[in-house]
Amino acid sequence: DTEVTQTPKHLVMGMTNKKSLKCEQHMGHRAMYWYKQKAKKPPELMFVYSYEKLSINESVPSRFSPECPNSSLLNLHLHALQPEDSALYLCASSHSQGGSSSYEQYFGPGTRLTVT
Amino acid sequence: DQQVKQNSPSLSVQEGRISILNCDYTNSMFDYFLWYKKYPAEGPTFLISISSIKDKNEDGRFTVFLNKSAKHLSLHIVPSQPGDSAVYFCATSQGGSEKLVFGKGTKLTVNP
Repeated sequence: DTEVTQTPKHLVMGMTNKKSLKCEQHMGHRAMYWYKQKAKKPPELMFVYSYEKLSINESVPSRFSPECPNSSLLNLHLHALQPEDSALYLCASSHSQGGSSSYEQYFGPGTRLTVT
Repeated sequence: DQQVKQNSPSLSVQEGRISILNCDYTNSMFDYFLWYKKYPAEGPTFLISISSIKDKNEDGRFTVFLNKSAKHLSLHIVPSQPGDSAVYFCATSQGGSEKLVFGKGTKLTVNP
């Protein structure tokens, strides 16, 4: 099973709303990722959690707040977003990288977010 | 400054023929390379990877070639099928880093 699930599939929110994106994997992966993808662009890394601890924050604005409640779940809390934050938000997971070992990341289907 | 370049934004191929997608990188420290396929409104799907200790890796119709001296990576799809029509991203990482660096993608169209 190489499935990463994300909910919701689509989300429309106003600039004053608070919402959350959810991601789940049951592959035993200990690294989980949030990416943002705009149309016709490659995915851009936002956050990485390794063993449930935040290991990378790519200078993401504080209106995006990640959370890793356990090794299978990853959330992205959204608050006071701007219209330019509208994008496809992708979750991914992998075995924990490190040392000389590299592993492929498996992506979920994404949440299409529209900020009005 | 783009560290990973896919210089062809699009490629069109006839069904049954070979598709060759190319990727160039600038950082000689990159040591792990991946190809992903992406359909519209879906997440990228992992296809195949190669580490820098190899120069070729094969999985069914997909073969990835790595030329370290030229800092060049290619994906061969043989035979191409209409269902292969998608955007293909190459990605790379360095030394077990969690951070993948993606190219901008090449849109492949396989015509029946």
